[in-house]
Amino acid sequence: AQSVTQPDIHITVSEGASLELRCNYSYGATPYLFWYVQSPGQGLQLLLKYFSGDTLVQGIKGFEAEFKRSQSSFNLRKPSVHWSDAAEYFCAVGAAGGYQKVTFGTGTKLQVIP
Amino acid sequence: DVKVTQSSRYLVKRTGEKVFLECVQDMDHENMFWYRQDPGLGLRLIYFSYDVKMKEKGDIPEGYSVSREKKERFSLILESASTNQTSMYLCASGRGQVKETQYFGPGTRLLVL
Repeated sequence: AQSVTQPDIHITVSEGASLELRCNYSYGATPYLFWYVQSPGQGLQLLLKYFSGDTLVQGIKGFEAEFKRSQSSFNLRKPSVHWSDAAEYFCAVGAAGGYQKVTFGTGTKLQVIP
Repeated sequence: DVKVTQSSRYLVKRTGEKVFLECVQDMDHENMFWYRQDPGLGLRLIYFSYDVKMKEKGDIPEGYSVSREKKERFSLILESASTNQTSMYLCASGRGQVKETQYFGPGTRLLVL
């Protein structure tokens, strides 16, 4: 069964600073990988996803993520954080060939300070 | 614009009550999901449905049941609510296989007293 680990529960960055959120997955074959964001009081929204091709994936709101098979990682990055990026971020992994069932990580809460 | 709506944003129920959480999507999606979200545990899948009247257990189905009589509507039922079911419940829908996006509703925060 697939699983995903987000080692950082809470991260604080200054506005304008760069951001990297970590995600490690466990799955035997090539995984389907996702990053979702949950703004306060709202449901989750997809930021980006990877399932094949170029290992550097661009998403919405200026985010990108890089799939590294050798490290079983799919870290999310943004070069310059805005105050509106304060939210909770979830990494998720899915298995090819099945129903649309994915496994979510425990989330990383991002705080942005002026 | 895609839309997933949930019948209540906040709900307070008593232990032992039967609780219905309703979810409606307007995107003609085949798949619908119920998750619960708890601090430090992330999202955990309770049940999902890939077609009308079809359902599959997720990772934590105990104490819950579901109903999907129409394609656009997926209901989560707590047969006898307990305090450990106090949580945020998120509904999602999606089309096709795993690489497709899931679209989430705003969530229902349930408090069981």
